Amino acid sequence: GEDVEQSLFLSVREGDSSVINCTYTDSSSTYLYWYKQEPGAGLQLLTYIFSNMDMKQDQRLTVLLNKKDKHLSLRIADTQTGDSAIYFCAERAGGTYKYIFGTGTRLKVLA
Amino acid sequence: GAVVSQHPSWVICKSGTSVKIECRSLDFQATTMFWYRQFPKQSLMLMATSNEGSKATYEQGVEKDKFLINHASLTLSTLTVTSAHPEDSSFYICSARTRQGVGTDPRVTQYFGPGTRLTVL
Repeated sequence: GEDVEQSLFLSVREGDSSVINCTYTDSSSTYLYWYKQEPGAGLQLLTYIFSNMDMKQDQRLTVLLNKKDKHLSLRIADTQTGDSAIYFCAERAGGTYKYIFGTGTRLKVLA
Repeated sequence: GAVVSQHPSWVICKSGTSVKIECRSLDFQATTMFWYRQFPKQSLMLMATSNEGSKATYEQGVEKDKFLINHASLTLSTLTVTSAHPEDSSFYICSARTRQGVGTDPRVTQYFGPGTRLTVL
């Protein structure tokens, strides 16, 4: 079945880079997304990558996709305290519009 | 563009009562809306898929008689939690699927509402 896994916690110092990892199982996924959720709030779309791409860069965000290993990562450069939040990866299952969300990674940025 | 609202943003109710949550697409027509539930410190779990004018499709393990979904128009879907119990306390998030070409990027096919926090006493 579909399963999307993430590490639960990540702590970094302000100004350092953060790397959040995600593994998924559905090889037919077409798009993979990264969302940010701040406490008590909804989801904010950060970026996405199409399954035939290896990398996508968007300002401070870099997404890497290893389709062979079904591994997705989000790198945040120059991490700021305002980046502290929970980050979810999500895959759009092939042939559907359903999103399957990962378990979420809680990022804490230390000043 | 592609803004989704939810009402109410939070609600507290007594055990045994029913609660209705609304999900609206404000500036586009949504052929499909999705309802998710998020327990504290957990991920979003898809509950059901709602298509305008037809019955909702529920995910395995979700009680359709307890979580009533109505998608009466292309801009409104409602989720009614019937006979709510404390274990139904959760954060409920809806999303709306856009038609191709709507929104800031047509490859982003779901736009999420801000969520509704339900607390059942």
